[in-house]
Amino acid sequence: EAGVAQSPRYKIIEKRQSVAFWCNPISGHATLYWYQQILGQGPKLLIQFQNNGVVDDSQLPKDRFSAERLKGVDSTLKIQPAKLEDSAVYLCASSLDRDTAPYGYTFGSGTRLTVV
Amino acid sequence: AQSVTQLDSQVPVFEEAPVELRCNYSSSVSVYLFWYVQYPNQGLQLLLKYLSGSTLVKGINGFEAEFNKSQTSFHLRKPSVHISDTAEYFCAAKAYSSASKIIFGSGTRLSIRP
Repeated sequence: EAGVAQSPRYKIIEKRQSVAFWCNPISGHATLYWYQQILGQGPKLLIQFQNNGVVDDSQLPKDRFSAERLKGVDSTLKIQPAKLEDSAVYLCASSLDRDTAPYGYTFGSGTRLTVV
Repeated sequence: AQSVTQLDSQVPVFEEAPVELRCNYSSSVSVYLFWYVQYPNQGLQLLLKYLSGSTLVKGINGFEAEFNKSQTSFHLRKPSVHISDTAEYFCAAKAYSSASKIIFGSGTRLSIRP
């Protein structure tokens, strides 16, 4: 089974620029998560989708971050404008659905964002 | 709300020595518990999970963890480590509710010395 695909792997941008990350979850997985992992810290959930609906975006900085999951499959996470403190690895994960999430998420390799 | 505390940010150990990575959690409700491993420049990979039943859980790569409800701990152990075990290890917890999210600890960097 193919894993969770993310692109790009690396991105360097200047502050105040915009950037977008893409995630393709495992086929058939209804639940999709975006996590932010700052260096030296554990991943922090930014947003959780169930199919194409948002379940939890309580920790998403909505003044600059946005995410969508059209048709309940692929998802994009956008930052506009970026700040220096947004430098982090952005991880996408998926699970079959919320009820099977305890069996573990499958994570992608992440996108490492550096804002200079 | 849940929280996860990993007591050691770094653990150096010699190759073939045993290792224990400590994890404590706090929650007002019952939780599932996980250990994930992250190799350099990679995503997180599930090592093992505790859902219910036996408190001793065995995972991949020879790792095991023991759930201790009275001490609210879920420590990870391996009897003999290898160079290839060098990685960052994350403990995580999730409340039983399907609407809850997985909460991660801050990670423990395991470095293996030859």
